[in-house]
Amino acid sequence: DADVTQTPRNRITKTGKRIMLECSQTKGHDRMYWYRQDPGLGLRLIYYSFDVKDINKGEISDGYSVSRQAQAKFSLSLESAIPNQTALYFCATSVQGGTEAFFGQGTRLTVV
Amino acid sequence: AQSVTQLDSQVPVFEEAPVELRCNYSSSVSVYLFWYVQYPNQGLQLLLKYLSGSTLVKGINGFEAEFNKSQTSFHLRKPSVHISDTAEYFCACGGTSYGKLTFGQGTILTVHP
Repeated sequence: DADVTQTPRNRITKTGKRIMLECSQTKGHDRMYWYRQDPGLGLRLIYYSFDVKDINKGEISDGYSVSRQAQAKFSLSLESAIPNQTALYFCATSVQGGTEAFFGQGTRLTVV
Repeated sequence: AQSVTQLDSQVPVFEEAPVELRCNYSSSVSVYLFWYVQYPNQGLQLLLKYLSGSTLVKGINGFEAEFNKSQTSFHLRKPSVHISDTAEYFCACGGTSYGKLTFGQGTILTVHP
């Protein structure tokens, strides 16, 4: 089983719909991240959380919100999806004092 | 602020040939540098990392990278590639929070038989 699990793996939604992407981890890490990958742009940080009560905006947070329901769960929401939010979304985790991030398998989101 | 530039968007090579994927970074503070690989329809896997110490870093699958502070580069190399190395490779830099990373644009490595 994957240590960092993202659900769903693929989703097609319509413009204007609210959608939530979920991430759960069994690594016991305190820090979690949401990234977005677009072709030719690499990955860009949307939001990050260093613990349950600490939420921070990343480079491209407009149009997104997050919720850290527990240490192991970090959800990303699009309140009103738009086509340019079509992308591959990755959740990642790390631990304070650790030296690398661990990524989930990704969620491919298409907004039509 | 940090930035990462991968100088080649696509690199085609033949099997068993050497390859170098180029990465330059910019940062006003000390950085930690990483190379990740993404195989088709998969997540990112760490290839190697530079935190401190020896500037030549060895990673998994026969890859290595050299940190060059004066040239602000962290190029990835492999002396002989295999078909299975076909993937997209990302260079990234970060600070003390190792998950808060700035990524380059990615380089698609295609290994031909």
